[in-house]
Amino acid sequence: RKEVEQDPGPFNVPEGATVAFNCTYSNSASQSFFWYRQDCRKEPKLLMSVYSSGNEDGRFTAQLNRASQYISLLIRDSKLSDSATYLCVVGVGFQKLVFGTGTRLLVSP
Amino acid sequence: DTEVTQTPKHLVMGMTNKKSLKCEQHMGHRAMYWYKQKAKKPPELMFVYSYEKLSINESVPSRFSPECPNSSLLNLHLHALQPEDSALYLCASSQVGDEKLFFGSGTQLSVL
Repeated sequence: RKEVEQDPGPFNVPEGATVAFNCTYSNSASQSFFWYRQDCRKEPKLLMSVYSSGNEDGRFTAQLNRASQYISLLIRDSKLSDSATYLCVVGVGFQKLVFGTGTRLLVSP
Repeated sequence: DTEVTQTPKHLVMGMTNKKSLKCEQHMGHRAMYWYKQKAKKPPELMFVYSYEKLSINESVPSRFSPECPNSSLLNLHLHALQPEDSALYLCASSQVGDEKLFFGSGTQLSVL
């Protein structure tokens, strides 16, 4: 089993739609969780950290379910500029992060 | 507009060449990382430096040799690479103990 698994997509959605991505992780001792965004041929950029209580940043909401070992990202009111690959990232040791394979999102007009 | 600067942006080298990738940050971060990313794959951790000391080596072949000469600089020395080493090499930095990574724009490496 991979350490961090994501549905690769692509998810094709129209502008204004709500879309959700899930990610599962295998290491129950993991303590830190993040979502990164990566545009084509660009570097990954931190989108948001994920906390046990859930957190929201504008149109983006992240949730963590430790019992089931999964993380989710919800994007509301999708914009064309949201088209990118979304990477789930899990901390598996001190300063050691493992990236999921990424989920590709395509938002169309 | 990234605060982590990598040079060169592109590099083509033969299997007998020796080259170096460079990374610089001025955010005061004391943890620096090298990741390797193949096309349509996620970044894979290679090395981590904390306080200028190598703290993680993910069983990377010795033809890749990292160096952290000071708290702002990170190098990756390359020697006798193979064509399968062709990839995007990403440098990142963070505060020690904080895993929010700031990435450079990467060096696209082609080994012929």
